[in-house]
Amino acid sequence: GIQVEQSPPDLILQEGANSTLRCNFSDSVNNLQWFHQNPWGQLINLFYIPSGTKQNGRLSATTVATERYSLLYISSSQTTDSGVYFCAVGVSARNTGKLIFGQGTTLQVKP
Amino acid sequence: EADIYQTPRYLVIGTGKKITLECSQTMGHDKMYWYQQDPGMELHLIHYSYGVNSTEKGDLSSESTVSRIRTEHFPLTLESARPSHTSQYLCASRGTGSYGYTFGSGTRLTVV
Repeated sequence: GIQVEQSPPDLILQEGANSTLRCNFSDSVNNLQWFHQNPWGQLINLFYIPSGTKQNGRLSATTVATERYSLLYISSSQTTDSGVYFCAVGVSARNTGKLIFGQGTTLQVKP
Repeated sequence: EADIYQTPRYLVIGTGKKITLECSQTMGHDKMYWYQQDPGMELHLIHYSYGVNSTEKGDLSSESTVSRIRTEHFPLTLESARPSHTSQYLCASRGTGSYGYTFGSGTRLTVV
């Protein structure tokens, strides 16, 4: 099956710094999502981005589908950005919405 | 406010007990999912549903079962809990024509 690899596994930043998280996937996908899981376990959907670039405030994401990777950019990081960032992909032709998750990048933002 | 609710939030139960984890959503979403997540690890899909009376197993084999009798309700049942079932269980939903997913807060299950 499709493999999803995220890097780096762990990241420690000082508040105000910028960061880039990477997601590589091993096959063509028709669905790619970025999620943030806060320290209390709640998962928030950040982006649906199977291709192209999107921005939402201090966060932006780019997916280059032909090269099978996606990047999540966090600018001017805040302590509330801490948590685990997951990339998840979907390959179903039936639009089932099933997702395969990467192992996540654990981000700690220090004040 | 549209949302997805999971109960209980935490559950500690003895081996051999039958348990049902509840998941309800108020958004009228047709697709619903159960994921299992061990601490510090990725999520694995264990069950999903396209709509009422439709359920299918996910990519990770699970001894749990699910039902979808009403659109808003997608409970997960373990007939006989074992310590190996200790994990966090997350419920999610997605509407037709929508690309976004909404996750519940999860149930942290410990089987002793």
